[in-house]
Amino acid sequence: SQKIEQNSEALNIQEGKTATLTCNYTNYSPAYLQWYRQDPGRGPVFLLLIRENEKEKRKERLKVTFDTTLKQSLFHITASQPADSATYLCALDPLGTSYGKLTFGQGTILTVHP
Amino acid sequence: NAGVTQTPKFQVLKTGQSMTLQCAQDMNHEYMSWYRQDPGMGLRLIHYSVGAGITDQGEVPNGYNVSRSTTEDFPLRLLSAAPSQTSVYFCASSSPGGANEQFFGPGTRLTVL
Repeated sequence: SQKIEQNSEALNIQEGKTATLTCNYTNYSPAYLQWYRQDPGRGPVFLLLIRENEKEKRKERLKVTFDTTLKQSLFHITASQPADSATYLCALDPLGTSYGKLTFGQGTILTVHP
Repeated sequence: NAGVTQTPKFQVLKTGQSMTLQCAQDMNHEYMSWYRQDPGMGLRLIHYSVGAGITDQGEVPNGYNVSRSTTEDFPLRLLSAAPSQTSVYFCASSSPGGANEQFFGPGTRLTVL
């Protein structure tokens, strides 16, 4: 069956370090992979999208990699800050459309300690 | 722009009651969808719509109905609430092309007793 797993339920790091979150999937051939941030009591907010033919994408302190051979995406936050503390969700879009038919991982709770 | 709005923010129902969760967007997005979020399970797709008059089922559609009579609105109906439907419900919208990003509403926290 199709499955998406975010390897860590929770990740704690010190301010200034790089946070690395992992998203693994099986039995998918996703066209797009997206990362979202979710703060407590709020809806997810889109961060980055990476396409199957892209190896890496960057946006400010964020970097996403996509390895379709390993079936894995890594999400990095460099120079992390306490304000980066949130739940981060990966989502697969197997059709490469924006119909809204995304399949989400269960999320990783990131806590950045001052 | 208000973006995606959802009402109510909180709701408590008794088993067997029915209700409608409202969702509206003012971004003229063609695509709208409903997800539920449960602890440890991530977001799961309930129903989605690719335009007014067109809806389809997602991963967990049982016990829910939707309709899309306008581009702006996409209500989710619980026909006969069950405790298993206790969850946080999110509505999202998007448009074709671009970054394919989903815009989510603030959510409705539903408890069924």
